[in-house]
Amino acid sequence: KNQVEQSPQSLIILEGKNCTLQCNYTVSPFSNLRWYKQDTGRGPVSLTIMTFSENTKSNGRYTATLDADTKQSSLHITASQLSDSASYICVVRRGSQGNLIFGKGTKLSVKP
Amino acid sequence: GAGVSQSPSNKVTEKGKDVELRCDPISGHTALYWYRQSLGQGLEFLIYFQGNSAPDKSGLPSDRFSAERTGGSVSTLTIQRTQQEDSAVYLCASSPRDSGRADTQYFGPGTRLTVL
Repeated sequence: KNQVEQSPQSLIILEGKNCTLQCNYTVSPFSNLRWYKQDTGRGPVSLTIMTFSENTKSNGRYTATLDADTKQSSLHITASQLSDSASYICVVRRGSQGNLIFGKGTKLSVKP
Repeated sequence: GAGVSQSPSNKVTEKGKDVELRCDPISGHTALYWYRQSLGQGLEFLIYFQGNSAPDKSGLPSDRFSAERTGGSVSTLTIQRTQQEDSAVYLCASSPRDSGRADTQYFGPGTRLTVL
């Protein structure tokens, strides 16, 4: 079954700290993987997109990794800011023309 | 330029009523998607429009759900005879084209539907 599982479900960290969010998938065939940030009451916004051959990609303080062998991805946030408080959604494309499979997201709260 | 817009932002309706949700994609984007996001759940694909091709309706949960895209731009999602389980945030997204490799989707703010 094509699934995307994210962990933890929720996370609370102090401002300035780093954190890592996990995404495991069983989607096949794999095309690409995206991380989205969704602020409360807003639509998701793309952070990174990674294809099969890419192991790591950075976007400012966000760094995504992909291990296509183990079907795992992580999103690392460094020096967290209050504005990082949001849900982070992992999304995998099934095949080049297939649907996007969404994880349920990790809700991150950054406290002062 | 303007992003994806959706209206209304909130809709409260009574069980059994019909509702229409509107999506204005980014100008020039040929691909348009509708998703549903229920509380505590991931985004659920509903329907996909690409240019003049026949839409992919494989995600629509029942025949009470339908969508149109007029003139390749504005789209309307219609839910007939609403049920309480239809309560969710309905998100629309558009992308310049669906290349399969770099087709970032740009999401609207969503319409929060509450069925009483």
